[in-house]
Amino acid sequence: AQKITQTQPGMFVQEKEAVTLDCTYDTSDPSYGLFWYKQPSSGEMIFLIYQGSYDQQNATEGRYSLNFQKARKSANLVISASQLGDSAMYFCAMSEISNFGNEKLTFGTGTRLTIIP
Amino acid sequence: DVKVTQSSRYLVKRTGEKVFLECVQDMDHENMFWYRQDPGLGLRLIYFSYDVKMKEKGDIPEGYSVSREKKERFSLILESASTNQTSMYLCASSLSSRDGLAKNIQYFGAGTRLSVL
Repeated sequence: AQKITQTQPGMFVQEKEAVTLDCTYDTSDPSYGLFWYKQPSSGEMIFLIYQGSYDQQNATEGRYSLNFQKARKSANLVISASQLGDSAMYFCAMSEISNFGNEKLTFGTGTRLTIIP
Repeated sequence: DVKVTQSSRYLVKRTGEKVFLECVQDMDHENMFWYRQDPGLGLRLIYFSYDVKMKEKGDIPEGYSVSREKKERFSLILESASTNQTSMYLCASSLSSRDGLAKNIQYFGAGTRLSVL
């Protein structure tokens, strides 16, 4: 079963509008972390925002916020006032402990966001 | 500034060749990771290392091996390259958490696009 699901392969959004990228996850562990990464056409993965499973408040980093709904197992990324430079692939990821007790990330399949001028 | 360097951006190899992909980090991180990225599949973990000479299989280790002789360097080895190993390969590193999951951001290199002909 997929642990991280991103149901939007591609999205087109008008510049300056807000955009929500969906992410749902599946885990039975009480302790986990949720990450969002951005991958521009250059290829490098850029960390955007993090939410811990015990965090009471939604994480925010500048124009990025994470809409964390624990009961629904959802961790959507919200980008306010989108800009042309936001055009990129966006990946949701969840941290978990491996069978040998080491931390690793599992990634979703990504959403390609295109901002239209 | 955080730096993860992959030795090549582009690589073309022949079927059956032994291929080495090198990754170096300068952040004194304990953990290092190798992923491959394919369209529609997101990032999939091949192997990771949580200490020098220590390694753990990821989700798709078949056809690959790794080496970590020094803390800053993590090598991915394709023993006998095949066409189905044509992909983008991403290296990452992070701190280690000994007390359960923490906000251990993974920092990525720019990626190596490998073509096996």
